[in-house]
Amino acid sequence: IAGITQAPTSQILAAGRRMTLRCTQDMRHNAMYWYRQDLGLGLRLIHYSNTAGTTGKGEVPDGYSVSRANTDDFPLTLASAVPSQTSVYFCASSDSTGDSGANVLTFGAGSRLTVL
Amino acid sequence: GQNIDQPTEMTATEGAIVQINCTYQTSGFNGLFWYQQHAGEAPTFLSYNVLDGLEEKGRFSSFLSRSKGYSYLLLKELQMKDSASYLCAVRDSNYQLIWGAGTKLIIKP
Repeated sequence: IAGITQAPTSQILAAGRRMTLRCTQDMRHNAMYWYRQDLGLGLRLIHYSNTAGTTGKGEVPDGYSVSRANTDDFPLTLASAVPSQTSVYFCASSDSTGDSGANVLTFGAGSRLTVL
Repeated sequence: GQNIDQPTEMTATEGAIVQINCTYQTSGFNGLFWYQQHAGEAPTFLSYNVLDGLEEKGRFSSFLSRSKGYSYLLLKELQMKDSASYLCAVRDSNYQLIWGAGTKLIIKP
């Protein structure tokens, strides 16, 4: 089934530890995104990539890094986790970069991260 | 600043009609989206409006008024499976999506 796979589904992490959330898509979409979702807030964009080899900062990039070595994979790394990074993280993709048509996002199932 | 406002929670009865409102103030406008998100799951696309008026898709319709910065999602013949959060998002002048916090819809039998 075509879509986005995220791993891990859930993780409890000690503060200060390094963590990489994995995201893989098989739809050959050009653009990929990482969002965090917190109670009472809208989805907030962390980082994005319009095409393989390029990345950009979103609304809340501090403490996070990404890479886009190929079309399919877009990992998100927390270099030194802090409790405020406790959240649900969603990876998403789209087949365009937003300036043509609807540019509908397809989301992964999410990764629930708890930093203690 | 940019802002999307939606009611936090709404309750409706199975078989009835419910209207979920969304007002926005953004730097430019390049389309408005509605997504559905069941608890513990990923958001899924429902509708897209870029011109004023009503877009109908089965039991769901979405309306847009750009001059008023206003949209609504209309759900007809409510079913229990419609219990979910409904997210409104606006694409701004930089083609970035600004998301509302979502409206949790509770359907009662």
